[in-house]
Amino acid sequence: GAVVSQHPSRVICKSGTSVKIECRSLDFQATTMFWYRQFPKQSLMLMATSNEGSKATYEQGVEKDKFLINHASLTLSTLTVTSAHPEDSSFYICSARFQRTSTDTQYFGPGTRLTVL
Amino acid sequence: GQNIDQPTEMTATEGAIVQINCTYQTSGFNGLFWYQQHAGEAPTFLSYNVLDGLEEKGRFSSFLSRSKGYSYLLLKELQMKDSASYLCAVIGGGYNKLIFGAGTRLAVHP
Repeated sequence: GAVVSQHPSRVICKSGTSVKIECRSLDFQATTMFWYRQFPKQSLMLMATSNEGSKATYEQGVEKDKFLINHASLTLSTLTVTSAHPEDSSFYICSARFQRTSTDTQYFGPGTRLTVL
Repeated sequence: GQNIDQPTEMTATEGAIVQINCTYQTSGFNGLFWYQQHAGEAPTFLSYNVLDGLEEKGRFSSFLSRSKGYSYLLLKELQMKDSASYLCAVIGGGYNKLIFGAGTRLAVHP
């Protein structure tokens, strides 16, 4: 399957700081990437859809000024959690849309565990 | 609106067969996916169904009935490493985003 990387895998930061998470599609180009958040024992919640060269589309209830998304190239999207607070502590996962003639799916990165102290 | 239902938890015995059901209601339909997720890890892709019928891939099979809004994931010859959450996800019409069900936590016992 296609490979998606995410960096960093784990980050601990102080309250009030900003954290940037990178998502890369390593062996394919992805015009669309997605950012999810997952709290313990809950399912994935879509935060936003990241489109290369245009503004991200945020889901209802997700603050676009707090969660900044940039998709500057066909292989890289970044999520910046600005002024992070303890309630932002979560598992953040990106995925990249992989489209071919016979398939249209998403491959996930390994996730980033954010802990805000 | 869109809604996806699957059982919260299931248990099974090593070597057995288990079927995880998923029902969905969406405005339009462009495919149904099953993902496996181990605790603390990201989901891994298992299967994709867009047409009715059964797709078999090794020990895992996935079935879809679009008229019934129903799918199942069938796991054969269960192994301990199959203990994980299994997520059903649908792409609705007019969107390219996946809507996930809450996931089914499967526990495989010796």
